[in-house]
Amino acid sequence: SQKIEQNSEALNIQEGKTATLTCNYTNYSPAYLQWYRQDPGRGPVFLLLIRENEKEKRKERLKVTFDTTLKQSLFHITASQPADSATYLCALPPRNTGKLIFGQGTTLQVKP
Amino acid sequence: DTAVSQTPKYLVTQMGNDKSIKCEQNLGHDTMYWYKQDSKKFLKIMFSYNNKELIINETVPNRFSPKSPDKAHLNLHINSLELGDSAVYFCASSPRDRGLKQFFGPGTRLTVL
Repeated sequence: SQKIEQNSEALNIQEGKTATLTCNYTNYSPAYLQWYRQDPGRGPVFLLLIRENEKEKRKERLKVTFDTTLKQSLFHITASQPADSATYLCALPPRNTGKLIFGQGTTLQVKP
Repeated sequence: DTAVSQTPKYLVTQMGNDKSIKCEQNLGHDTMYWYKQDSKKFLKIMFSYNNKELIINETVPNRFSPKSPDKAHLNLHINSLELGDSAVYFCASSPRDRGLKQFFGPGTRLTVL
């Protein structure tokens, strides 16, 4: 069956450390993968998109990798800050469907 | 400037009632969506409209009926509400390239008593 899996347990890290979140998928061959941030009581906000022919993408303190062999994307936040605390969702489009399938999200808590 | 707006923010109602949620986007996007986020935080697509035309209709009970009067608006009407309909409903829009960079509204928390 098709699945997108993110760590359902919260990730707690110390301020200044690098946070690494994982998104694994099964039985999909997405052309790209997206990451979103969701704060409590708000809608998800788009962060980054990485295409299947890109290994890595960066935006300020954010870095995303995409390994189509392992069927995995890693999302890194370097020099993390308490303001980075939120739930992070990965999403991918099954081919020729025109829709996004979202993972359950991983909640990140950055402690000062 | 609000990009994607939804009303109401909160909706509390009794089982069996009919209710509507409205969504508007001022981004000029062609495609709009309705998503449902349940208590376990899974975000699932329900419907998608492209320029007022229904293009995605997931396995949603037919008590849910979307309506798009123009490409900037996508409303969701729910008949005969059930307890299991309690969730947060998000409207979203995206530019012409389908599926890329979705812009979400603030959500409507529906509670059915």
